[in-house]
Amino acid sequence: DIVMTQSPESLAVSLGERATFNCKSSQSVLHGSNNQNYLAWYHQKPGQPPKLLVYWASTRESGVPDRFSGSGSGTDFTLTISSLQAEDVAVYYCQQYFSSPWTFGQGTKVEIK
Amino acid sequence: QVQLQQWGAGLLTPSETLSLTCAVSGGSFSGYYWTWIRQPPGKGLEWIGEITHSGSTNYNPSLKNRITVSVDTSKNQFSLMLSSVTAADTAVYYCARGRARSFGSGRLPGIWGQGTMVSVSS
Repeated sequence: DIVMTQSPESLAVSLGERATFNCKSSQSVLHGSNNQNYLAWYHQKPGQPPKLLVYWASTRESGVPDRFSGSGSGTDFTLTISSLQAEDVAVYYCQQYFSSPWTFGQGTKVEIK
Repeated sequence: QVQLQQWGAGLLTPSETLSLTCAVSGGSFSGYYWTWIRQPPGKGLEWIGEITHSGSTNYNPSLKNRITVSVDTSKNQFSLMLSSVTAADTAVYYCARGRARSFGSGRLPGIWGQGTMVSVSS
């Protein structure tokens, strides 16, 4: 199985400031046939199911605000919130869908400083 | 809009079989991936398995000997059965629909059910 490792475990950021989360896969999730990284990001607010934010490492899902951006390739990925809003308090998960079983990172919890 | 409503027994004793059903309303059943994911209390997400509308399945090998995911297209429902449960199977179980009718990113859960807490205790 591909192991997904996220850092940091938690993050406290002031409103309006940038938040950055990291995700590392134990093997590359870049597919040679289409040059796509099979990497997605979700966030999960308390008491709610997760919500898909980004797929193909950098494509925002429909309706996701443009303050969320994903980057990276191969084994190292980043999700950035350019200006943290109160409603962004959540746990953020990365997931690979390159090789079954699809696996998630352990999550990064974001709080307001 | 598309909604997923899930139900099933919330309290099981060890060795029983977990059974959950997810009903889809407000949208088409065909062409999508249908997925089960679980989350132990206070922990992260674990992908359980997926099924297409035509019944092709893909399971997490860690559960493969105990899991069955099935689909009933006549009712726009899909189901999860997990046999021989133990305390380690205690979790919130989510059903979800793929984000789009496509391979690759289409299988990613884009619409989720509300979750069902399943506890296993003697």
